[in-house]
Amino acid sequence: KAGVTQTPRYLIKTRGQQVTLSCSPISGHRSVSWYQQTPGQGLQFLFEYFSETQRNKGNFPGRFSGRQFSNSRSEMNVSTLELGDSALYLCASSFPREGASSYEQYFGPGTRLTVT
Amino acid sequence: AQTVTQSQPEMSVQEAETVTLSCTYDTSENNYYLFWYKQPPSRQMILVIRQEAYKQQNATENRFSVNFQKAAKSFSLKISDSQLGDTAMYFCAFMKGSNYKLTFGKGTLLTVNP
Repeated sequence: KAGVTQTPRYLIKTRGQQVTLSCSPISGHRSVSWYQQTPGQGLQFLFEYFSETQRNKGNFPGRFSGRQFSNSRSEMNVSTLELGDSALYLCASSFPREGASSYEQYFGPGTRLTVT
Repeated sequence: AQTVTQSQPEMSVQEAETVTLSCTYDTSENNYYLFWYKQPPSRQMILVIRQEAYKQQNATENRFSVNFQKAAKSFSLKISDSQLGDTAMYFCAFMKGSNYKLTFGKGTLLTVNP
């Protein structure tokens, strides 16, 4: 079974631009979560989607948004990029079902975003 | 809000030896899950082991095992027979039941020396 895929893997943008990152979950997984990883702040939760609905949101400004499609693929968008948005953006998928293993999240390789 | 603390920023161990990574957490929840993730230089985050808070038995996965002390809010990871491929950053993570939001510690960089 293919793992979580994220595109693009690397991205360089200029301050003020916007960016869209894509995540395809493991086949059959319906929950997609996004995380930001930086050297200073570590790993921080952005948001989680399930069946095209945002169920949970982290403490990030409104410039960070996301959505999920009917095939469970998800995108996140960052508008008006700032230098501090430079980070590794990780996507993770889960398959909510009965049992504790449903809470395991499987991560993609990440998108490295550099804002100049 | 939940917090996760990993007090060892870096550790090293000789190949074939055993090492223990520490993690403490703070929560008022009763239903939660704890995880250890491994992030090698490739940056791919890999799930190592999972522990349900309602289970008293410590989880094990091959060479990896945990010591879960619920009252002390401690969740340490023991790696036996360390291998060079175990070199990575290890993150302890907390999830409130049915929440799907992981709260991570700052990580411990483990180096396995030949």
